[in-house]
Parts: sequence; C-alpha cells; structure tokens
Amino acid sequence: DAGVIQSPRHEVTEMGQEVTLRCKPISGHDYLFWYRQTMMRGLELLIYFNNNVPIDDSGMPEDRFSAKMPNASFSTLKIQPSEPRDSAVYFCASTYGSYNEQFFGPGTRLTVL
Amino acid sequence: ILNVEQSPQSLHVQEGDSTNFTCSFPSSNFYALHWYRWETAKSPEALFVMTLNGDEKKKGRISATLNTKEGYSYLYIKGSQPEDSATYLCASPTSGTYKYIFGTGTRLKVLA
Repeated sequence: DAGVIQSPRHEVTEMGQEVTLRCKPISGHDYLFWYRQTMMRGLELLIYFNNNVPIDDSGMPEDRFSAKMPNASFSTLKIQPSEPRDSAVYFCASTYGSYNEQFFGPGTRLTVL
Repeated sequence: ILNVEQSPQSLHVQEGDSTNFTCSFPSSNFYALHWYRWETAKSPEALFVMTLNGDEKKKGRISATLNTKEGYSYLYIKGSQPEDSATYLCASPTSGTYKYIFGTGTRLKVLA
C-alpha cells in the first residue's frame, strides 16, 4: 500500500481564495482524521470520520472550514474564504478499528498571503 | 489533568546517553495512549499503542511504560544515537471518543 496520500503537498494562495485539500486514506481503514499543525497550538484535531460519516467536527475553527468524505477512499478539507491565519500544515491520518495507531499522510503546507 | 502534557519541551543529550521523557494525560475514563516519533520534514510515525495499566512496550532501544491510575507514561531511549533526533509526541483520546488530544511534544537532539 502507498500509505495515506495527500495533495497538494504545497499550496500558496491569496487571502479570500478557496482552498481544497485532498486525502486518500489507506485502503480498508475505517477512520479518517484531519489535523492542523501550527507553532502556537501544535497538532490539533479538526474533524474525524468513521465509515465516511463525520463524527466530531468540534475542532473545525469556524464556518469557513468544511470537510467531506464522499466515499471510503477520498476526503476533502475546504477553506472558503481563506485567511492568512489559516497558514499551517494540514495532515490527514487514517486507522482501522478501535484506538489503533494512526497512519499520517505527508501533509499539505498551506500558505495564505 | 485536563489535557495531554509532555515534559521536557526539549532535550539535548550526547550520543550514547540514555534519556527519558514524560507524558501526562487524564486518568479518568482512559482508553489508550499513543507515542509517535516525528522527524523534521516528515510525518508522525507510531511507536507504541498502550492500553493496559502497567503496560511496557519495547522497540529496539526505545521502550515505554504506562500508569493509567496516575495518568502518566514514560518513554525511554537507551544509548541515544543521532538518528534518534526527532520530536516525540504522545496522544490520548478524550473519554468515549476517538478525538485524540496530542501533547506539544518533546524535541530531542542527540549530539554526536
């Protein structure tokens, strides 16, 4: 398996633009997590899905952020409109079953100018 | 403890030294404790998943212990090598959910 795949790896955009980050989890995994890493707050969970259903989105900072998982092999995290304070590295991770180790993707480094 | 906390924040050791660091987590309604190793410019990789009080796990020169009653876990590295330089993260899910809270990590630098 290729592991968790994220795209793009780097994204530079201007304030106000829509940004879409993509994630393909490991085949067979039933949990998918979106994290954001910043210097100030470290690694924080934004939202997680179980069997494609969003379970907890309490970490999503505000309405500008949305996430979907239309099928077991694809998820998106969208920011609209983007702001400079959204600049961070966004990680996607997946796992199978209860409380097992999470497998992280390479991350997307987002810069909003 | 309401959060996952790690200490120290950073650590410099000489090659060959043994070292350890601490992760503290809420002890009530404990489900699991994860340790991850995070090298610069890479993504976190799992070291250990611990679930039972008294658990001890080992992978090569790295080992970990777990005390769920008092809410702490120790990570030990024996005979540190420069390639052990990384940030070590711990994480625990909040009660009854899969909402993992990560500590801010311990940044280890092993000097050759």
